[in-house]
Amino acid sequence: AQSVTQPDIHITVSEGASLELRCNYSYGATPYLFWYVQSPGQGLQLLLKYFSGDTLVQGIKGFEAEFKRSQSSFNLRKPSVHWSDAAEYFCAVEYGNKLVFGAGTILRVKS
Amino acid sequence: EPEVTQTPSHQVTQMGQEVILRCVPISNHLYFYWYRQILGQKVEFLVSFYNNEISEKSEIFDDQFSVERPDGSNFTLKIRSTKLEDSAMYFCASSALPGLANYGYTFGSGTRLTVV
Repeated sequence: AQSVTQPDIHITVSEGASLELRCNYSYGATPYLFWYVQSPGQGLQLLLKYFSGDTLVQGIKGFEAEFKRSQSSFNLRKPSVHWSDAAEYFCAVEYGNKLVFGAGTILRVKS
Repeated sequence: EPEVTQTPSHQVTQMGQEVILRCVPISNHLYFYWYRQILGQKVEFLVSFYNNEISEKSEIFDDQFSVERPDGSNFTLKIRSTKLEDSAMYFCASSALPGLANYGYTFGSGTRLTVV
């Protein structure tokens, strides 16, 4: 069955430090992968998506993600975190015109 | 930028009562979806809707749930007799075409439903 695993429930980083949020998926075919961010009281905002081609995908707000088929991973990265990046981040895989989400990772940014 | 609008943002209801959650999708979108997120758990697919009928539903979407597009702009989720375990954040989404790969969804801000 299709599934997405985000192994880190909470991550705390210092402002200005680099960030990597992990995501592993289980999917039989070539996956279409997404990262969403949810700020408190807000909806789900698409950060970036991967369909095919270049395995390094650039998104909004300075985020990028790298698709690694051999590791079934799609980790999200940012070189320098800002306090406004504090939010919950969800990885998702498309399956049959719907999204299967991971459990999310809550990012805390300390000054 | 076009938005998906959901109302209300928070609703409290008594167990056994009916609730209707409302969504206004993006105007030229044709495919509509409901997802829910129980506190501390994953965002889960409930139902997709196209051409005035359900195109797919999850096992969560049982007989107490229904969806409707009552007019040209609204898309509603009705829960007939709410239970405590229906307490969750409910997200509406819409897309212009099927298949997320090229078009993606736009999600609303959600309605937090609290059943007491």
